Amino acid sequence: DTAVSQTPKYLVTQMGNDKSIKCEQNLGHDTMYWYKQDSKKFLKIMFSYNNKELIINETVPNRFSPKSPDKAHLNLHINSLELGDSAVYFCASSQGTSSETQYFGPGTRLLVL
Amino acid sequence: QKEVEQNSGPLSVPEGAIASLNCTYSDRGSQSFFWYRQYSGKSPELIMSIYSNGDKEDGRFTAQLNKASQYVSLLIRDSQPSDSATYLCALWPSGAGSYQLTFGKGTKLSVIP
Repeated sequence: DTAVSQTPKYLVTQMGNDKSIKCEQNLGHDTMYWYKQDSKKFLKIMFSYNNKELIINETVPNRFSPKSPDKAHLNLHINSLELGDSAVYFCASSQGTSSETQYFGPGTRLLVL
Repeated sequence: QKEVEQNSGPLSVPEGAIASLNCTYSDRGSQSFFWYRQYSGKSPELIMSIYSNGDKEDGRFTAQLNKASQYVSLLIRDSQPSDSATYLCALWPSGAGSYQLTFGKGTKLSVIP
């Protein structure tokens, strides 16, 4: 069983489109995250939810909107996609909100043309 | 800005040698440190966590932490070609409201057969 899963794995789309990425974890964790990894491989936190409540909201364009329907799911919706949004987006989860090991999903490779 | 610094590499070592990966950090209050391994095109996976000064061994991997000098390192003994990957150092920053891991930019390791 996959602990943290993401769909889709690959996403190729045109500039200006709106797209969503979904994440689910079956670990029973309370906290979920979205990270962006750019072409230089730098992994940067975007958002974090704990028990469906937003606890981290880094400096990210407001075209990005996370949504957590329950603590096992965290989705990411991106409006008006831009070329610079091309990256790998990783979902992760952890049991708590401090000093906890994070488990990563397989990533969603987004390419904006 | 609480930073984590790593030499981006690539670090090349011959098969069977010891690979030494280093990481320095600026947040003196950090208590939790992690090493993640990321194969090309894959998601980060946790190798080691360390919380106390000194060494922590797990198989061929040894993590070393020196809080006074603000560095953490990872030694890989008997390096194998399968160890070729990017190694990410991460820490949990100190301070109230610190809900996120801070990652370094990673060191690319290449083990030469």
